[in-house]
Amino acid sequence: NAGVTQTPKFRVLKTGQSMTLLCAQDMNHEYMYWYRQDPGMGLRLIHYSVGEGTTAKGEVPDGYNVSRLKKQNFLLGLESAAPSQTSVYFCASSYGQAADTQYFGPGTRLTVL
Amino acid sequence: AQKVTQAQTEISVVEKEDVTLDCVYETRDTTYYLFWYKQPPSGELVFLIRRNSFDEQNEISGRYSWNFQKSTSSFNFTITASQVVDSAVYFCALSDPHSGNTPLVFGKGTRLSVIA
Repeated sequence: NAGVTQTPKFRVLKTGQSMTLLCAQDMNHEYMYWYRQDPGMGLRLIHYSVGEGTTAKGEVPDGYNVSRLKKQNFLLGLESAAPSQTSVYFCASSYGQAADTQYFGPGTRLTVL
Repeated sequence: AQKVTQAQTEISVVEKEDVTLDCVYETRDTTYYLFWYKQPPSGELVFLIRRNSFDEQNEISGRYSWNFQKSTSSFNFTITASQVVDSAVYFCALSDPHSGNTPLVFGKGTRLSVIA
């Protein structure tokens, strides 16, 4: 039981490049989330999904897109990376929304030059 | 809107001292949930505790204890006899059923350094 996994662990991009971060969970959770963590800012929600085929905007969605084609996977895309997107990205999943605990992946450190 | 305030940005203690991390929250709902997470230097986020708004009993788990007081909207976390392995950033978080586009709101975290 791996829990929540994220690929890749590290990535360096040049401004304007695109990339996709992959999150996978094997806990059969309905809900999945993408956060970014910046120094002094805590964690901020980018997008989330309440089930396969659904997505919703979080607090800081601009510049990102997501897809949930399979229940166990949640992809985060950057179409044209900007230096302001340099951050650590965390994926999380939970059985439900408000009531249930979110379990986090190990994070992806992204640097945009 | 919900808000979580962790006023202590950084705390430094000597090993074996007790330390309390403060968390104050704001919400208009009567039903909500509070969480604490630990982020050690390795970077992962580790779930510590979940508490619902109707359960004001204090919780103790080994050297960890949590004091939930609705009257002051606080959910403080105490580590007794701190150890170097407790060094981490600790996040308090709030979730409520009417949270709109922010199902879980985090505080900015408190960095705890335990010195041997």
